[in-house]
Amino acid sequence: DAGITQSPRHKVTETGTPVTLRCHQTENHRYMYWYRQDPGHGLRLIHYSYGVKDTDKGEVSDGYSVSRSKTEDFLLTLESATSSQTSVYFCAIRGSGRRELFFGEGSRLTVL
Amino acid sequence: TQLLEQSPQFLSIQEGENLTVYCNSSSVFSSLQWYRQEPGEGPVLLVTVVTGGEVKKLKRLTFQFGDARKDSSLHITAAQPGDTGLYLCAGETGGSEKLVFGKGTKLTVNP
Repeated sequence: DAGITQSPRHKVTETGTPVTLRCHQTENHRYMYWYRQDPGHGLRLIHYSYGVKDTDKGEVSDGYSVSRSKTEDFLLTLESATSSQTSVYFCAIRGSGRRELFFGEGSRLTVL
Repeated sequence: TQLLEQSPQFLSIQEGENLTVYCNSSSVFSSLQWYRQEPGEGPVLLVTVVTGGEVKKLKRLTFQFGDARKDSSLHITAAQPGDTGLYLCAGETGGSEKLVFGKGTKLTVNP
């Protein structure tokens, strides 16, 4: 199994509070991704990283920011959480020259 | 914009039946992947198809990539309760570092 962990796995917060989700990998893979999964929408890409300090937006990036200061960690931040950001968030990693993604177990976020 | 359309969205069948799940697009993909996801877990890769017309078999699962590389299908023979899960297709366009996912097909196989 790919060495990828997400934290926290579950979080309940209130509207307007900042939230940071962490993705940690031990595979030294170049690419890291944050997706959200919602009923009726499937998996949608929020942001991704193609190297340390190199990131780009996905299709649903509004309201989210990311940072990658070292290869193994990719952080997703909600500066001011809203109820529409209640979702399950998945981190994924991919090696250079490889096609397949390896996913973490997900972080369930509830914004009240 | 959802580039990949999966059908059916839900499928409930009895053990031993055969089924086919479809993944269609108007876009051409350099590769297409199928993942399976169980409740409370992340998706896990089943197969990657790269060549138009390619057929890959994984035990009772048969995957096909369309000749024009715009569509794919997953056929399961003699389904078992252990096949229950969410099946996702994902496409990679040439030169892109991003995978686009379909909305998934939720399969339930009843004993």
